Amino acid sequence: SQQGEEDPQALSIQEGENATMNCSYKTSINNLQWYRQNSGRGLVHLILIRSNEREKHSGRLRVTLDTSKKSSSLLITASRAADTASYFCATDVPYAGNNRKLIWGLGTSLAVNP
Amino acid sequence: KAGVTQTPRYLIKTRGQQVTLSCSPISGHRSVSWYQQTPGQGLQFLFEYFSETQRNKGNFPGRFSGRQFSNSRSEMNVSTLELGDSALYLCASSLVTPNTEAFFGQGTRLTVV
Repeated sequence: SQQGEEDPQALSIQEGENATMNCSYKTSINNLQWYRQNSGRGLVHLILIRSNEREKHSGRLRVTLDTSKKSSSLLITASRAADTASYFCATDVPYAGNNRKLIWGLGTSLAVNP
Repeated sequence: KAGVTQTPRYLIKTRGQQVTLSCSPISGHRSVSWYQQTPGQGLQFLFEYFSETQRNKGNFPGRFSGRQFSNSRSEMNVSTLELGDSALYLCASSLVTPNTEAFFGQGTRLTVV
């Protein structure tokens, strides 16, 4: 089953507003990544946050990680119509000794209206 | 630097047929992962290859197989196609591991009729 669960499933905002989406997970992680996918196309890596980090910034993106609550949030500030896309979180999870696997959430669909 | 190239972009096949999808990773990248994406199930991991060896495998039936060549190019094959195999198949390339960053191709849209 998918570990990462994004919420909300869908979000609709006006250009210029901020958008916040959340990702919850169930087990301990090595790191967590956020990706963006424009309609029916490949995914683009946005940001990675390691398990020992609490916050990271990249341009208009701000990611937080709360390992005690097993959750992460992605904030997009001053949104633009071009931010319209689906956003996915992926958790790097240790398993079976030294192995690791990447588990993906179902995504949040963001619509930014001009 | 060229990105990840997947061919073909679109494919229509009939139930029972087999299909081969191709992925050329970014030059120098040794890890190639494959995913199936459907509206209801999201991104499902198929398998990952590193230096011609399958390093990780998801929970898909044996009809789904893959391989990686010495130049890191990868192919995945689906035999005895079912209607439920209709999906966007995404390939991702990484320098060493997708667990820190992966670069995705545009995908192959497979429709099984």
